[in-house]
Amino acid sequence: RKEVEQDPGPFNVPEGATVAFNCTYSNSASQSFFWYRQDCRKEPKLLMSVYSSGNEDGRFTAQLNRASQYISLLIRDSKLSDSATYLCVVAGDSNYQLIWGAGTKLIIKP
Amino acid sequence: EADIYQTPRYLVIGTGKKITLECSQTMGHDKMYWYQQDPGMELHLIHYSYGVNSTEKGDLSSESTVSRIRTEHFPLTLESARPSHTSQYLCASSEYRVGEQYFGPGTRLTVT
Repeated sequence: RKEVEQDPGPFNVPEGATVAFNCTYSNSASQSFFWYRQDCRKEPKLLMSVYSSGNEDGRFTAQLNRASQYISLLIRDSKLSDSATYLCVVAGDSNYQLIWGAGTKLIIKP
Repeated sequence: EADIYQTPRYLVIGTGKKITLECSQTMGHDKMYWYQQDPGMELHLIHYSYGVNSTEKGDLSSESTVSRIRTEHFPLTLESARPSHTSQYLCASSEYRVGEQYFGPGTRLTVT
């Protein structure tokens, strides 16, 4: 079992819809969590950090469920420009290493 | 926009050659990282540095070495390239929090 697991998708969603996807992690001692977005053949870019129960930034909301060991990302009023792969990242035991998920691909259709 | 640069962006090289991938950042970040990423797969940490003269291996053994003589510069060297090294190599840096990293555009390496 991978330490960080994501549904690879793709999620095909009409423009304006709300979409949510989850990321599960195996290490219950993990303290911090991050969502990055990665456009096709580009570098990852930090979208959101989660250090407590959740975080909200405009149309994006991240929620952490420690009991069930998953973190979710909700995107409201989706835009065509939201099409990308969303990477879930978990800070591991040591303070230098991140555990990266393989990503969930999101396609927003007009 | 993050000020982190990688050269070359694309490289095709023959087996057995020695290559150095360059990474520079102008943000003054102490922490720098090298990752390898295959298409559709997760990032794997190859090396990291917490400052000048500090380097450590990550979880992926890639038969490469790094150096950190200056804060802004973190080159990655492959002593003898093999076809299994064909991948995308991403350099990143962070200021305080390890999880909040800025990435360079990457180097796409093909070893024939």
